[in-house]
Amino acid sequence: QITLKESGPTLVKPTQTLTLTCTFSGFSLRSSGVGVGWIRQPPGKALEWLALIYWDDDKRYSPSLRSRLTITKDTSKNQVVLIMTNMDPVDTATYYCAHSLWGSGTYYFDYWGQGTLVPVSS
Amino acid sequence: QTVVTQEPSLSVSPGGTVTLTCGLSSEPVSTGFYPSWYQQTPGQAPRTLLYSTNTRSSGVPDRYSGSILGNKAALTITGAQAEDEADYYCALNLGSGIWVFGGGTKVTVL
Repeated sequence: QITLKESGPTLVKPTQTLTLTCTFSGFSLRSSGVGVGWIRQPPGKALEWLALIYWDDDKRYSPSLRSRLTITKDTSKNQVVLIMTNMDPVDTATYYCAHSLWGSGTYYFDYWGQGTLVPVSS
Repeated sequence: QTVVTQEPSLSVSPGGTVTLTCGLSSEPVSTGFYPSWYQQTPGQAPRTLLYSTNTRSSGVPDRYSGSILGNKAALTITGAQAEDEADYYCALNLGSGIWVFGGGTKVTVL
């Protein structure tokens, strides 16, 4: 059974750096064809893909946010960390992590965490 | 900047059929963009319905199907049920592992 859970601060001030942790179980990021991604959703708005890290430590970032994002993994702890710098109120959103699996010619997201709401306010 | 377009809202009668589409601002959508579809009900995390155009995720009923219609990806719900009322998002793989989501379609069953 695959589960993921996001954790992070309950409030972030503008210009601060956000650190989010995705703790997962039921799979290993040492396994070929596996990845973990981050997706966010501002209140009442659409999903936005942020970043993805693969089993082989390859990483991909949203081009529009690339300069502010860093994604890393700790396979011994079954965790993936997303760091976003220079936070702004427009970054207020629910942040989701999701399990990604290779299948039918592509990686795709199949299991999602419950999400964590990150308000950005002074 | 690449924009993925979806209908803002659609309605369907119980038992009816509705088709949602997913287009690109810059070019036709093909299977090479590996379109995927996600369902989200209020206050819940997204649920994966389909990936790679038409492959259903585990446990997804076969009333959900995917295809390419013209120059867009499409999600068709056949025999709509009340529980299908939700927001639906498509996502496209632009290549090099870069994903982009559409703006979402709110489906009302009435």
